[in-house]
Amino acid sequence: SQELEQSPQSLIVQEGKNLTINCTSSKTLYGLYWYKQKYGEGLIFLMMLQKGGEEKSHEKITAKLDEKKQQSSLHITASQPSHAGIYLCGAAFTGAGSYQLTFGKGTKLSVIP
Amino acid sequence: KAGVTQTPRYLIKTRGQQVTLSCSPISGHRSVSWYQQTPGQGLQFLFEYFSETQRNKGNFPGRFSGRQFSNSRSEMNVSTLELGDSALYLCASSRTITRSGANVLTFGAGSRLTVL
Repeated sequence: SQELEQSPQSLIVQEGKNLTINCTSSKTLYGLYWYKQKYGEGLIFLMMLQKGGEEKSHEKITAKLDEKKQQSSLHITASQPSHAGIYLCGAAFTGAGSYQLTFGKGTKLSVIP
Repeated sequence: KAGVTQTPRYLIKTRGQQVTLSCSPISGHRSVSWYQQTPGQGLQFLFEYFSETQRNKGNFPGRFSGRQFSNSRSEMNVSTLELGDSALYLCASSRTITRSGANVLTFGAGSRLTVL
């Protein structure tokens, strides 16, 4: 089974709606990273979480890491077409300073105007 | 500040050939990592270099190799190409940003390799 599971695999929402993407780990997370990718392009860094219970926000995107440090959620408020893309969570399993990230398979988000 | 630059962006090769991909990290970043992205397997770690030394290697065959130069630029090479090597190859550079040692990877746009 996957070390990092993302759900849902895909999501279609109407513009203005809120949505949540989940990332569940089978192991303790030393760092959890959220990235966004436009199809076939590089990854854009969104946020990094390290401490259990930590929550970070940027514009309309909020990410949380649960207390046990094995699950994270990404919440988008009032979605816009510019939010469309593939959201990937990446985990550092071997230590906070690890450069080797394990990624989930991604969640493809489509926002209908 | 220039981002991570990867060249070439697109290339087509045939089975049995070899390919070299190049990555120029953000100025001041000494760590360069390489990832392979395919529809079936997703993003998978290939290797990571720091100060010209390979520090970590993912679970890929010996046909995949890399190196880093003194200016931190990195290249990866795939020899004896197979159809399954068709993928988007992403390079990322990073620097330590927190007291705990956490790193943020900044990715390039990728090199899309098609093997025929």
